[in-house]
Amino acid sequence: DAGVIQSPRHEVTEMGQEVTLRCKPISGHDYLFWYRQTMMRGLELLIYFNNNVPIDDSGMPEDRFSAKMPNASFSTLKIQPSEPRDSAVYFCASIGQVGGTEAFFGQGTRLTVV
Amino acid sequence: AQSVTQLGSHVSVSEGALVLLRCNYSSSVPPYLFWYVQYPNQGLQLLLKYTSAATLVKGINGFEAEFKKSETSFHLTKPSAHMSDAAEYFCAVSQPSGGSYIPTFGRGTSLIVHP
Repeated sequence: DAGVIQSPRHEVTEMGQEVTLRCKPISGHDYLFWYRQTMMRGLELLIYFNNNVPIDDSGMPEDRFSAKMPNASFSTLKIQPSEPRDSAVYFCASIGQVGGTEAFFGQGTRLTVV
Repeated sequence: AQSVTQLGSHVSVSEGALVLLRCNYSSSVPPYLFWYVQYPNQGLQLLLKYTSAATLVKGINGFEAEFKKSETSFHLTKPSAHMSDAAEYFCAVSQPSGGSYIPTFGRGTSLIVHP
């Protein structure tokens, strides 16, 4: 397996624009997580899914953020409208419940909102 | 409930010196414990894990960690630091026996290695 795949790796956008980040988890993994990493706040859990169902979105900062998982192999994190304070690195990770223990992370998307 | 505390946001060592990164956890059930490493511009990758087998766990790149239940600790060590060890290190805990595979991460410790 190629691991968790995120796209794009880098995104630069203007304030007010819509941004969509994409993630393909490892095949067969039941859990998918979206994290945000900044110098100030460290690694923050935004939302996670189990079997494509959102379980806990209490970490989503505001209504401008939304996440979907239409099927087991794809998830999106959308920010609309984007603001400069959304600039961060966003990571997707997945865990396989059956026999799984650790989280596997993607390479991240570095988002810059200007 | 589960939580992780990493003591020291930055640790600085000389090349060849002992590396010690501290992690304390709290967990209401027997935990799984992890150390991840993050190199610049990369995602987190697993360094080692404890899943209720041997309390001394060996990982990649010469790192090891010891699970001490009485101290609720899982400190990471390496006998001799190398320049390539400079990275961010995260300790994490999960509670599979409690039905939760959701990892809780510490704030991270930045390891700086001086020549």
